[in-house]
Amino acid sequence: AQSVAQPEDQVNVAEGNPLTVKCTYSVSGNPYLFWYVQYPNRGLQFLLKYITGDNLVKGSYGFEAEFNKSQTSFHLKKPSALVSDSALYFCAVRRTNSGNTPLVFGKGTRLSVIA
Amino acid sequence: DADVTQTPRNRITKTGKRIMLECSQTKGHDRMYWYRQDPGLGLRLIYYSFDVKDINKGEISDGYSVSRQAQAKFSLSLESAIPNQTALYFCATSDFLAGTEQFFGPGTRLTVL
Repeated sequence: AQSVAQPEDQVNVAEGNPLTVKCTYSVSGNPYLFWYVQYPNRGLQFLLKYITGDNLVKGSYGFEAEFNKSQTSFHLKKPSALVSDSALYFCAVRRTNSGNTPLVFGKGTRLSVIA
Repeated sequence: DADVTQTPRNRITKTGKRIMLECSQTKGHDRMYWYRQDPGLGLRLIYYSFDVKDINKGEISDGYSVSRQAQAKFSLSLESAIPNQTALYFCATSDFLAGTEQFFGPGTRLTVL
């Protein structure tokens, strides 16, 4: 079975400071990993994904994530947080040898960036 | 994402009523999904369809049914709505490649009284 854990329900960070939103996963075999963001009253927007290759993945709005196979993690990062980054963030996983099966999502982490 | 539309966007109904939520997409994707979002529970998969002739149950399919009327349309029905089906419902689509992301509609907020 595939699963994703986002250990923090809420992350608070001051504007201009670096931010990290944590994600760990469990799959048999290799994973495809995804990050999505949800702004209030909106659907989920795709931020970035890890498929293969370089462990550091860059995505939209200055976000990046690092795939760490030994720690089964895929933490989302940004060097300098903006107030407009405040939103709900979801990590998702899919096994690479499972065909295009539906993504399995974590429970989400609410990011609050304080001016 | 304007390529995936959901109707209605908001709906208030009463216990026991039949409700249909509709999803349409212009992305040309074969695969469509229905998820439910509840605070603190994240997104949970209700049903998914890999093509018009393929329907699969997800994690929480009890109390729901679906219809894939065409490649571009995937409807979710609540035959007899109950209050614990109050939630935000999302439709999503993807193409057939395993490494591709899913694209989400704007959601339908359903309240069952």
